[in-house]
Parts: sequence; C-alpha cells; structure tokens
Amino acid sequence: AQSVTQLGSHVSVSEGALVLLRCNYSSSVPPYLFWYVQYPNQGLQLLLKYTTGATLVKGINGFEAEFKKSETSFHLTKPSAHMSDAAEYFCAVSDLATGNQFYFGTGTSLTVIP
Amino acid sequence: DGGITQSPKYLFRKEGQNVTLSCEQNLNHDAMYWYRQDPGQGLRLIYYSQIVNDFQKGDIAEGYSVSREKKESFPLTVTSAQKNPTAFYLCASSPPQAPYNEQFFGPGTRLTVL
Repeated sequence: AQSVTQLGSHVSVSEGALVLLRCNYSSSVPPYLFWYVQYPNQGLQLLLKYTTGATLVKGINGFEAEFKKSETSFHLTKPSAHMSDAAEYFCAVSDLATGNQFYFGTGTSLTVIP
Repeated sequence: DGGITQSPKYLFRKEGQNVTLSCEQNLNHDAMYWYRQDPGQGLRLIYYSQIVNDFQKGDIAEGYSVSREKKESFPLTVTSAQKNPTAFYLCASSPPQAPYNEQFFGPGTRLTVL
C-alpha cells in the first residue's frame, strides 16, 4: 500500500537559516509526489510537484525538492527561511496503482524564530 | 477568479443533527474530493467523485453521505451516525482524476459538535 512518512511533526529554524522538511514514501510503481502548504484555518496550496523528468523540482516562494528514487525520498528545502514560511507542510503521493488517489503525510509544522 | 468555495467557514451542530457542508467550484474540473483533517493525522479521504452522478467511498466514509448532481457542486452531509464529527473539512477538485494532476483545495469548513 502507498504511504507517506514525514519525519518531525514540528521543525523550528531561525530566520535566514536553511529549511529542510523530510518526506519518505512507499510506492510499488513510479510515484507522483507533491508538497502542499497550509496556513492556519485555510486550505492547502500547492508548492511543487514531481511527475516525470528532472528530479530537482522548483516551486513557489523559493522552495525546491529533489526526488531520490534510491532513497524513496522527496525532501523539501529552502535556502533561507522567512517569517512568512511559518505554516504546516504536507507531502503527498499518488500513482496509477492507487486508483489516482492521493495519500498525505501527517504534516510538519514549521516555526521560524526571529 | 476561478476557484473553490466552501460554506460556511464555521459550523456548529448539536449532537444527533445532520448537517450539510457546501462545496462549489468554477474550475470546470471533473473530479472532486472531500477530506477530513484532524490534528496530527494529516488528511483522510471521505468521498470522491470523478464524474457527475457517480462517487466512491474513501477511507473513512462511515457516517457521511454525498451527492454529485452538477459538475460544479459536491455537497457533504455529516449524519448523526458519525460518532466524532468535530474536525476541519476540506473540499478539493482536479482535472480528470489522474495521478499527475494536482488537487486544488477550498478554504475549508470547521465543524464543531456541541
């Protein structure tokens, strides 16, 4: 069965520091991978996605993620954290074997310390 | 502007009452979804629909019902059979349901049972 594991339910970084949010997936077939951001009491907004092709994917707000098949990972990074990055981040996986359903991780809450 | 609207944003219900959450989209998307979000549990799929007049149960459909009479609308009814309905409910849509298509989310409805 497909699943997503997000290591670290809470991550704190200083403003200007590197942001690294971890995501590992399990999938029996090539996966499609997504990162979403959620601000308090709002819906989810797509940050970036990997479907095929280049394994380093750039998204909005300076975020990027790298698909590593050998490590079954899709970690999200940003070189320099900004106060406005404080939010909940969700990783999701989909593939043909799931009947096109999305499976979400449990989320990582990012705190940015001034 | 195209998007997904959910109403109301906050909803209070007494135990034993059914309540219907609204979801409307003007993105001309074929597929629509309902998720439930609880703290620390990520998003769990309640129901989804790929075309009008057709829908399928997700992972936690018990105590919920839906209809899809129009392409634009996918209302969710939380029935009195749902034992723990207090949660944040998110509606989403996508172009034809396919694993590489991202889902677009509405702003959510927070349901509280009194």
